[in-house]
Amino acid sequence: AQTVTQSQPEMSVQEAETVTLSCTYDTSENNYYLFWYKQPPSRQMILVIRQEAYKQQNATENRFSVNFQKAAKSFSLKISDSQLGDTAMYFCAFRDNQAGTALIFGKGTTLSVSS
Amino acid sequence: DTGVSQDPRHKITKRGQNVTFRCDPISEHNRLYWYRQTLGQGPEFLTYFQNEAQLEKSRLLSDRFSAERPKGSFSTLEIQRTEQGDSAMYLCASSLSGVGGEQFFGPGTRLTVL
Repeated sequence: AQTVTQSQPEMSVQEAETVTLSCTYDTSENNYYLFWYKQPPSRQMILVIRQEAYKQQNATENRFSVNFQKAAKSFSLKISDSQLGDTAMYFCAFRDNQAGTALIFGKGTTLSVSS
Repeated sequence: DTGVSQDPRHKITKRGQNVTFRCDPISEHNRLYWYRQTLGQGPEFLTYFQNEAQLEKSRLLSDRFSAERPKGSFSTLEIQRTEQGDSAMYLCASSLSGVGGEQFFGPGTRLTVL
């Protein structure tokens, strides 16, 4: 069974700094997607960034980028120029394209951005 | 707004009572998912529909849980004979079918079983 592990329960950063959130996963499949979702306090979850496993190039969305290391099964999220609005719970998620469409989530990392 | 909506947002019930939650997906999305999220954990998959067909159910979905999506539009999740362990946030998401279909999440229904 696939698993997703986020080893950092909480992280703190100051505005304008860069922070990296870690995620590792376990799968025997070769074709899958990886995601980072953001869940702000009392608000709904939104997709931050997505990576397709067959693409070697790391995905980037504005201030958000990933470091995808397929052999190491690692998928970290880098947030540059952190903003107060980045304060949220961040979830790493895996989806296996062969077996269905359910997302498998990690336990999350609570990120606090302070001024 | 045409995002995913869920009703109610909060539900407090006594142990043993039945509860029903509703999810309205984004109108053109043919896939609909239910997840459960307990405090300090990531969401866990419960079930999903493609149109009106329930295609996959997690073993987390005990016999007390039932989900429907009549006519492939909104969906309901019913929990019968609620237990304190059912207390959680129930999240609904929807997507288009296809390999890259992004799942859009609703705000969730927070259930508290006393």
